[in-house]
Amino acid sequence: DAGITQSPRHKVTETGTPVTLRCHQTENHRYMYWYRQDPGHGLRLIHYSYGVKDTDKGEVSDGYSVSRSKTEDFLLTLESATSSQTSVYFCAISGGNNQPQHFGDGTRLSIL
Amino acid sequence: GQQVMQIPQYQHVQEGEDFTTYCNSSTTLSNIQWYKQRPGGHPVFLIQLVKSGEVKKQKRLTFQFGEAKKNSSLHITATQTTDVGTYFCAGPEDNFNKFYFGSGTKLNVKP
Repeated sequence: DAGITQSPRHKVTETGTPVTLRCHQTENHRYMYWYRQDPGHGLRLIHYSYGVKDTDKGEVSDGYSVSRSKTEDFLLTLESATSSQTSVYFCAISGGNNQPQHFGDGTRLSIL
Repeated sequence: GQQVMQIPQYQHVQEGEDFTTYCNSSTTLSNIQWYKQRPGGHPVFLIQLVKSGEVKKQKRLTFQFGEAKKNSSLHITATQTTDVGTYFCAGPEDNFNKFYFGSGTKLNVKP
């Protein structure tokens, strides 16, 4: 598998608290993506990045922000977590938007 | 907005039977990619098709990209229990940066 590490792998937190998920890659890929996966909805794109400090919104970006200060790290932040953000979050990387994506192992986030 | 739908949502087959999942996009895709996700795992890239009308095979799996580059299919011949998982189509919208995944087809194979 490609060198992608997501942390933490599991997290339980309370409504209203800030949460940051980290995606770290060792492949020097330009593109990085954050998805959430919920039953019945498949994979939905939250935000993506096409370079350092270059990010754009996906289809479900409300309530989420991202940052990419280095090629290897892409952070996803929930400023004030809500129960509707309970989900499995996947990070993916690719060399270009037309190229295959390689996924991390996911973060299971529960917001109580 | 862009939508990528897959049918069926679920498919239960007996081992040895064939299986097909269909993918339809509301807009033209520059390419189509297929991924497989095993239960509890992460999506894994299977194949990419780029050309209109393209057909590719991987052992028992046959992938097609439609002439209009808005639909695709994955056919598995003589399913095995190792084929169990959810199959997703995905692709970037033509001329845009957005990348979309289909809703997925969950395949269960009974031995």
